[in-house]
Amino acid sequence: DTAVSQTPKYLVTQMGNDKSIKCEQNLGHDTMYWYKQDSKKFLKIMFSYNNKELIINETVPNRFSPKSPDKAHLNLHINSLELGDSAVYFCASSHSGEQFFGPGTRLTVL
Amino acid sequence: TQLLEQSPQFLSIQEGENLTVYCNSSSVFSSLQWYRQEPGEGPVLLVTVVTGGEVKKLKRLTFQFGDARKDSSLHITAAQPGDTGLYLCAGNYGQNFVFGPGTRLSVLP
Repeated sequence: DTAVSQTPKYLVTQMGNDKSIKCEQNLGHDTMYWYKQDSKKFLKIMFSYNNKELIINETVPNRFSPKSPDKAHLNLHINSLELGDSAVYFCASSHSGEQFFGPGTRLTVL
Repeated sequence: TQLLEQSPQFLSIQEGENLTVYCNSSSVFSSLQWYRQEPGEGPVLLVTVVTGGEVKKLKRLTFQFGDARKDSSLHITAAQPGDTGLYLCAGNYGQNFVFGPGTRLSVLP
């Protein structure tokens, strides 16, 4: 069974479009995250939710809006996509200071 | 701002060699994790170290947490091509994590 899953795996879209990435974890963890990994492989936290509540919101444009319908899901919606949004986005969940990552979504904005 | 540095940035060695990579910070973390990431996949947790001076072993990998809980090292004995990947360290404070830029290891057969 996949612990942390993300869909889609690849997303290619035009500038200005709105898109969503979904994440689900079946580990029973209370805390979930979204990270952005750029072309240099630097992994930077974007958001963190604990039990459906936002607890970390790093300096991210407000075009990015996370939504957590329940503690097993944390989706990421992006409005008005820009070229600089192209990256790999990772979802993760954590328990007792250990994180488990999804396989990533490679977003390409043309 | 909590920052982590990793060195070296790149490392290319022959199969069978030993190597050590480092993770350093000026900040104290409640715990530190090491991950390995392969192309097209998410980071996979290798180990978590919590106590200053702690040493953990995972087969040919030895992890050490500095006494002051600000730095860590990963030593690989007799490296194999399967060890190739991006090694990331991450410091944990509260429910936040900060990642280092990674060490890209290539083990040549």
